[in-house]
Amino acid sequence: AQKVTQAQTEISVVEKEDVTLDCVYETRDTTYYLFWYKQPPSGELVFLIRRNSFDEQNEISGRYSWNFQKSTSSFNFTITASQVVDSAVYFCALSEARPDKLIFGTGTRLQVFP
Amino acid sequence: ETGVTQTPRHLVMGMTNKKSLKCEQHLGHNAMYWYKQSAKKPLELMFVYSLEERVENNSVPSRFSPECPNSSHLFLHLHTLQPEDSALYLCASSQHRTATGELFFGEGSRLTVL
Repeated sequence: AQKVTQAQTEISVVEKEDVTLDCVYETRDTTYYLFWYKQPPSGELVFLIRRNSFDEQNEISGRYSWNFQKSTSSFNFTITASQVVDSAVYFCALSEARPDKLIFGTGTRLQVFP
Repeated sequence: ETGVTQTPRHLVMGMTNKKSLKCEQHLGHNAMYWYKQSAKKPLELMFVYSLEERVENNSVPSRFSPECPNSSHLFLHLHTLQPEDSALYLCASSQHRTATGELFFGEGSRLTVL
């Protein structure tokens, strides 16, 4: 069965702190894709990153970095030097080759205070 | 202007009303989706359309009726809804209906059923 678990419901930090959002997934497929989406207060989900199951290289994009570890079925997301504009709900998602649909976690609400 | 536009942004309706949610994408994509976002629950995929053909109905009650007249427009017709149907309804599109593509979301239609 496919499942995505985001155990952290809400995280609060002060600006400039680093914060890591956890994501643990379950799948029986050997080919799958993992995603992170950001949902700001305006409502629309914004795509941040996609990784396939064959690429365990960590990725860095500016203040964002992602740590993919198949051994622990985790795909964690770290924001370095957080800013108030990072405040949003962040969703981790999984899709398998078949069926081709996204399975979302319940999301982690991040609040960054000035 | 966002790539995916949803109207109305907010809708309040009684259980006996009939209303429709509209979604329009300006990205030239071939696949469109309806998702339901309820508080403290993962996003739920409701319907998938690919090239105007419904390819997935995720066990959604018949009081929700989708319509895709062309690849740019997607509707969700609502009738005799229940209070538990109150949620944020998100429309999304992707270039193709695949597991590898990213989804582009609209800002959602917040529905309240009285």
